[in-house]
Parts: sequence; structure tokens; C-alpha cells
Amino acid sequence: DTGVSQNPRHKITKRGQNVTFRCDPISEHNRLYWYRQTLGQGPEFLTYFQNEAQLEKSRLLSDRFSAERPKGSFSTLEIQRTEQGDSAMYLCASSPERVRHNQPQHFGDGTRLSIL
Amino acid sequence: SQQGEEDPQALSIQEGENATMNCSYKTSINNLQWYRQNSGRGLVHLILIRSNEREKHSGRLRVTLDTSKKSSSLLITASRAADTASYFCATDRVDSSYKLIFGSGTRLLVRP
Repeated sequence: DTGVSQNPRHKITKRGQNVTFRCDPISEHNRLYWYRQTLGQGPEFLTYFQNEAQLEKSRLLSDRFSAERPKGSFSTLEIQRTEQGDSAMYLCASSPERVRHNQPQHFGDGTRLSIL
Repeated sequence: SQQGEEDPQALSIQEGENATMNCSYKTSINNLQWYRQNSGRGLVHLILIRSNEREKHSGRLRVTLDTSKKSSSLLITASRAADTASYFCATDRVDSSYKLIFGSGTRLLVRP
């Protein structure tokens, strides 16, 4: 079990630029989640994939945000035309589909985005 | 929006003492989970308690769940400096699609 891997760990960019983050889940996990966490707060759900299908998107995910999981393995989260308010830690998590519920989610170390 | 509230927001104790954190939530759940987060890192799963369970233990951790009061508590016994971290409760709601709804967390400082 190599754990959930996220890249890059840190991203600093100017307002208005596009950024893309990558998440590699635990290999046998077919559920993948993206969360956003701002300083001093708990993570907030952004979106969820089961295999390659994006099954739910939060209202937090404006049309500047897009997430993909093309082959049901790794996932990317892209933010277009970044704004100051996008500065946050972006966390990815994965879980297996053994039973419908009652599975913990395994988190990566996140990508910290800073908008200048 | 956050599902739950955690109490206290911050807790400072001496090494060897016990730490108790509380979590309240609003809607019916499948389970409640506790996670730990060290500064600048991701979340580490600690323990999951199902809605039909009332108490669960794992090492120095004890979790209780009261679904009638929609509340849970996490007890860390014989705390260590390495327990210094933020602790979050998260609920898997009955009406949700497996996403977790997190509280705002308790920041625990264990003084050596």
C-alpha cells in the first residue's frame, strides 16, 4: 500500500493563471474524492468519482473548476483563471468499494495553492 | 457547509493527561469517523464508528456515539507530545453519496 500521492505539494501562481493538480489513489480503490481546506477549517467536499464516472459535484465547484479521471485511475483537478479565493489546500482521498458505506477514506498530503 | 461543530476549538494539556474532544452533527448518519491532521499534512484516519454502535476502542483511543443527541466524543488517554495535531470528526450521511462532511476541528497541543 503506497498510499495516496498528490503532485505538486506546493503551487504558487499569479492570479488569472490556470493550474492543474494530480492525484494517484491507492491502486485497488475505485472511489476518488477531492476536498478543499482553508486555514483553520475542516475539509469541504468538492467532487467524487466512482471509477471514471464523476457522480457528484459540490456547489463550491464553480465552472472554473474541472476534474477528470479518464481511465479510472489517477485524477486531475484544473482551476482556470485563478482567483485569490482559490488559495487553499486541495486534498485527494480514495476508498475501496467493498460495501456501500462504512469504509474510511485515505487521504494524500494535499497540494497547497497560493495565489499571488 | 460544515456538518458538525467540534468542541473545544483548541485544547492544551500536559503529557500523560487525557484529552477529550466532542463533535455534534445535524442529520442522520451511516457512520462517524475521526481523523488526525498534522500541520501541513493530509488527514490520517483514526477510527470509524457505525450508527448502530455506541462505543469503540483502538489503542489509546475511545470513541462514543450518541445518535439520539447527534453527538460523539473522542478520548485520547495518556497523551504524548506526538499527539499534538488537529482532530476532525466527519460524518457519512444517510442521504449522501459517500462524501464526508467535516467539522471545523479541535487543535490539540500536548506539552512535554
